Amino acid sequence: ETGVTQTPRHLVMGMTNKKSLKCEQHLGHNAMYWYKQSAKKPLELMFVYNFKEQTENNSVPSRFSPECPNSSHLFLHLHTLQPEDSALYLCASSQLLTENTEAFFGQGTRLTVV
Amino acid sequence: LAKTTQPISMDSYEGQEVNITCSHNNIATNDYITWYQQFPSQGPRFIIQGYKTKVTNEVASLFIPADRKSSTLSLPRVSLSDTAVYYCLVGVSNDYKLSFGAGTTVTVRA
Repeated sequence: ETGVTQTPRHLVMGMTNKKSLKCEQHLGHNAMYWYKQSAKKPLELMFVYNFKEQTENNSVPSRFSPECPNSSHLFLHLHTLQPEDSALYLCASSQLLTENTEAFFGQGTRLTVV
Repeated sequence: LAKTTQPISMDSYEGQEVNITCSHNNIATNDYITWYQQFPSQGPRFIIQGYKTKVTNEVASLFIPADRKSSTLSLPRVSLSDTAVYYCLVGVSNDYKLSFGAGTTVTVRA
């Protein structure tokens, strides 16, 4: 248990579906992150939220839409995805403006687009 | 954000010490060095962090030379369960984008 909880753990969706991934952290952190990890590839940083403000968007297609309603919750809304979007989606949180930059990751959501 | 370079893979045997060196030639004065471990289908897990000299915890040691242009993660007496990908990150606390490179895949054999 890392203090970062992701739901669902597994998701299968069709290309015309709309779904959302949820991330919740109970660590009091002020930054949250979404990553994508395709099979046998490095983690790709998608979005960063600092103090609920989006500060990073690494050229992610608009079919991925993040939402951060408060510092404890982060969503990734998905619509009209492609099969190549199938991957492990990881959420992380950290406390900025401190010396310890340790990040805590959730267990991830294994997404399959059919 | 300082770029890091580490070996793609390393093989070892149970009970041996594994040392992974990460190069970060353009590290900035305020940057810290952090190492993470990732098992398949799981999120990365923090191992150790340091700024200079040597840091040791119950899992690993981190050696950082005076010029800080590289660092070495040392895993003592590895076991099969230490087989994982190890990532070296360099950054500062107020601009920490947590960008992971390819990491080093460590395979421990019996």
